[in-house]
Amino acid sequence: GDSVTQMEGPVTLSEEAFLTINCTYTATGYPSLFWYVQYPGEGLQLLLKATKADDKGSNKGFEATYRKETTSFHLEKGSVQVSDSAVYFCALSDQAQGAQKLVFGQGTRLTINP
Amino acid sequence: EPEVTQTPSHQVTQMGQEVILRCVPISNHLYFYWYRQILGQKVEFLVSFYNNEISEKSEIFDDQFSVERPDGSNFTLKIRSTKLEDSAMYFCASSRDPLWEKLFFGSGTQLSVL
Repeated sequence: GDSVTQMEGPVTLSEEAFLTINCTYTATGYPSLFWYVQYPGEGLQLLLKATKADDKGSNKGFEATYRKETTSFHLEKGSVQVSDSAVYFCALSDQAQGAQKLVFGQGTRLTINP
Repeated sequence: EPEVTQTPSHQVTQMGQEVILRCVPISNHLYFYWYRQILGQKVEFLVSFYNNEISEKSEIFDDQFSVERPDGSNFTLKIRSTKLEDSAMYFCASSRDPLWEKLFFGSGTQLSVL
């Protein structure tokens, strides 16, 4: 079945550091790919998405590019802030199967120190 | 921004007891979901609900689980006879359509079965 594998956490960085959180996926169809973020005490929020190969999703300084050849969707940010501290989830939805469900990775907890 | 509300934020119950987790989705949304995350594991899809019926469910969603939209505003998840392994964070989500343009999650209910 479909699956998502994320970089093991937790990740701790200093403010203004470069961030990469790795995500790879396995899917039988043509999935859409997502990054969700969960800030402390809040629900998961969509951060960015990409629906086809080579698409780049971006939001709030975060970027991720849909790489079909490496089945990856790594999350990057050039200069992180303390306010980026949260749990980040990579996910896919396989539209080819008409699925109405998201398949998530295990989440990566990110802590940014001032 | 509108939000999905879940109550309670924490629920403690004894094994074998029934629990009802409550969610108030966003008012003009038509598609409703429950996900759960066992500590240290991935967020898992449980069930999707549309037009007053289940549209898809996972293997986890066995006969012990049921969902209901009793009054047009609430969306509930009932576990009839809780087991220790039901301990998890349960997330409700809603969307206006199934195409994943925007899926809104609640902040979750932490269920602890003793």
